[in-house]
This record gives sequence, structure tokens and C-alpha cells, in this order.
Amino acid sequence: AIQLTQSPSSLSASVGDRVTISCRASQGFSSALAWYQQKPGKAPKLLIYDASTLQSGVPSRFIGSGSGTDFTLTISSLQPEDFASYYCHLFNNYPHTFGQGTKLEIK
Amino acid sequence: EVQLVQSGAEVKKPGATVKISCKVSGYTFTDYYMHWVQQAPGTRLEWMGLVDPEDGETIYAEKFQGRVTITADTSTDTAYMELSSLRFEDTAVYYCAFRYNYSAFDIWGQGTLVTVSS
Repeated sequence: AIQLTQSPSSLSASVGDRVTISCRASQGFSSALAWYQQKPGKAPKLLIYDASTLQSGVPSRFIGSGSGTDFTLTISSLQPEDFASYYCHLFNNYPHTFGQGTKLEIK
Repeated sequence: EVQLVQSGAEVKKPGATVKISCKVSGYTFTDYYMHWVQQAPGTRLEWMGLVDPEDGETIYAEKFQGRVTITADTSTDTAYMELSSLRFEDTAVYYCAFRYNYSAFDIWGQGTLVTVSS
């Protein structure tokens, strides 16, 4: 099974900062990668699918990019509501795989 | 409105079996696979498997193979996830989720906490 490695596992940043989260796959695949945001006690929320397509209603400050084995989620200017955990997700084959998550905290 | 409503929290002893339900509404149940995802404290999301409600076919993750059974009841539009031989490390929140409008999990249940405790 393809493994996903996310980095960093945690990140401290300030409102207005630009942050980047990486998701690296153990082998290359198509662009079937998604990014989710999760807040404590809540289900994950889909932000981006197909590596770079923003789900309807998600702010444009969330930017997904990458292909092959290296993918990134960039938040161009952090807002207070963005402090949460983020997960990447490979969904093009079985088993589906998730990254281990990145916890984004306020500095 | 498309909704997934899961059953309530459970407390089970080691070795027991838990069965969680996921009641769907707002769409045709048989048109989409239903997936289950485990989230244990401090660990990553873990895909457990799926069911095709149209014919009951299932695919399970190797980690859970032999202990998990995912089913779909089309008479009640409800999906179920049963996990047997529970261990302390099965303490987790379990989610049902599926791909509705997008090619990823855009619809999630609210989650069900299962606590395994002696």
C-alpha cells in the first residue's frame, strides 16, 4: 500500500502568515489527493480534491498543488479560524491512506 | 440536505463486539459506496473499508480484515460497521463518510466514540 508522510506534524504560526504543509507519497500516483481540515470534536471537512481543486465554499487562501509523489497545501494568509489539524488523503485505490496529520497552532 | 447521522457513544469491554449505525438521508443510498474511518486518539485517520449498498459487496483494509463487518440495509437506508474482538487500542471515534459531489469524502457523519475499557 502507498504510504503518505505529512510534514511538519505540528506548526506554530501567526495570523497573516503563509504556511505550507507537505504530503509525500511512498510511490507516485495520479492527482487523486485530497486535503481536509479538522477541528476538535468535529468530523474532517474537505478543502481540496484532485490535488488542487478547491471544494465549493472553501476560501481561496487554501491552495493545493503537486503531483506524482509530492503534494502541498498552502494557506496564503492565516485567519483565526484556520487553526486546526490538516490531513492529506489518497483515494485513487484501496486501501485509502491518510497522512498522519499536521496540527496548526497559534504562535 | 444530504446527512449521515451516526449512533451514540459506546463503552465496551475487551473481547466484545460493537456495531455502529449510520443513517443516511437526502440522497439515494444505493448510488454511492459508504466508507468507514477510524480515528484513535493521537493517531492518523485510518480507512477501514467500504460497502456498496446496491449489492452488499465490501472491501476491507488489511489491518481490520477478519474483525470488521460493514453492511448496508437498503430498507432503512442505514449502513453498519461491526468490529469484533475489541482491544484497548480500538478506542477511537469512528466515522462513516462518502464521495457525493466530489472525488473525495465530502460528506461525513458526526462520529461515534467507542471506548474499550475493562
